[in-house]
Amino acid sequence: GQSLEQPSEVTAVEGAIVQINCTYQTSGFYGLSWYQQHDGGAPTFLSYNALDGLEETGRFSSFLSRSDSYGYLLLQELQMKDSASYFCAEPTGGGNKLTFGTGTQLKVEL
Amino acid sequence: EAGVVQSPRYKIIEKKQPVAFWCNPISGHNTLYWYRQNLGQGPELLIRYENEEAVDDSQLPKDRFSAERLKGVDSTLKIQPAELGDSAVYLCASRRRAGTVTYEQYFGPGTRLTVT
Repeated sequence: GQSLEQPSEVTAVEGAIVQINCTYQTSGFYGLSWYQQHDGGAPTFLSYNALDGLEETGRFSSFLSRSDSYGYLLLQELQMKDSASYFCAEPTGGGNKLTFGTGTQLKVEL
Repeated sequence: EAGVVQSPRYKIIEKKQPVAFWCNPISGHNTLYWYRQNLGQGPELLIRYENEEAVDDSQLPKDRFSAERLKGVDSTLKIQPAELGDSAVYLCASRRRAGTVTYEQYFGPGTRLTVT
């Protein structure tokens, strides 16, 4: 089966860097996506890693290590608006659907 | 381009009552998903449509849940009768086409259902 584990909560100060980890246990692994969801809002796509290494998109970067069954989302220069829940997700069911992780609530403080 | 539209945004009903949620995906998106998200958890897939065909409904509690996507565009998810445990946010998502690995889906804002 598939399962993706994340820390439930992370707190950091404005301007800092924070890393949100995701570990997975699955067969037929395609890659790892990351989504952001503000309270009461829709999940929005941030990034996808199909290959090992780092993908950078502005202040956000995502990393994957297939050998370690591990990935992370790195947020730099944290802003108050980054306070949200972050989910890792992987394509499953032959790549036709997404299975989401447990989610990490990020709180950015002054 | 307009995003995924869902209505209503909020719904409060008593247990044993029926309820329906509506979703209009992004124009041109053939694949439509319904998810349920419990408080503090990630979305969990209920059903996936490719055009008008439900191709994956293995997680849909068929004794009380039903869905349809007539004409392969709008979709409706229904619960009858609702139970207390159905309180959750019901999310609709879509993507352009099948045949490729899905890693990016476009989500609507969801319907927050409270069953009392």
